[in-house]
Amino acid sequence: EDQVTQSPEALRLQEGESSSLNCSYTVSGLRGLFWYRQDPGKGPEFLFTLYSAGEEKEKERLKATLTKKESFLHITAPKPEDSATYLCALRGGYQKVTFGIGTKLQVIP
Amino acid sequence: KAGVTQTPRYLIKTRGQQVTLSCSPISGHRSVSWYQQTPGQGLQFLFEYFSETQRNKGNFPGRFSGRQFSNSRSEMNVSTLELGDSALYLCASRSDTGELFFGEGSRLTVL
Repeated sequence: EDQVTQSPEALRLQEGESSSLNCSYTVSGLRGLFWYRQDPGKGPEFLFTLYSAGEEKEKERLKATLTKKESFLHITAPKPEDSATYLCALRGGYQKVTFGIGTKLQVIP
Repeated sequence: KAGVTQTPRYLIKTRGQQVTLSCSPISGHRSVSWYQQTPGQGLQFLFEYFSETQRNKGNFPGRFSGRQFSNSRSEMNVSTLELGDSALYLCASRSDTGELFFGEGSRLTVL
């Protein structure tokens, strides 16, 4: 069974303090590793898709990377508006998408 | 391009009642997935429909059902509601490249 584990569960950063969120996974046949951002009371917002080890994607202060067992979401010089829950998900066999519990990020001014 | 639309946004039901939630996917997307989100469990996969056929199903009891219409719109139904069914129900449509795009969700409270 496909599994996604995210750590830490919660992270508190000072504005400008860079850090990384971790997503470790087990899957038989990775067909895509996704990162989403979710604000309270809203649906998840798509950020990135990664398909193979070594791939990297960037968007503003966010960079996602992928290895054969993990993905990282690096946040450079975060701002308070980056506060949200970040979800990692993967698509394995049979096209099913499995989500992690998420990392709740709080950026303090 | 309009996003995924879910209705209703909020609803309150009592135990034993049933509820129907609706989802209109992004135009051109033929696959619709449903998820249940609760604080302790995260997003739990309910089912996925593609071209009116259920393609995948999660580990939920038979009280949870769904369907998809020829215009790709989807509905999910929960019968005999229980307190534990209180959750945010999210619908997502899938692009041709595999990404899921979510609606704002339907917040169900069961009293």
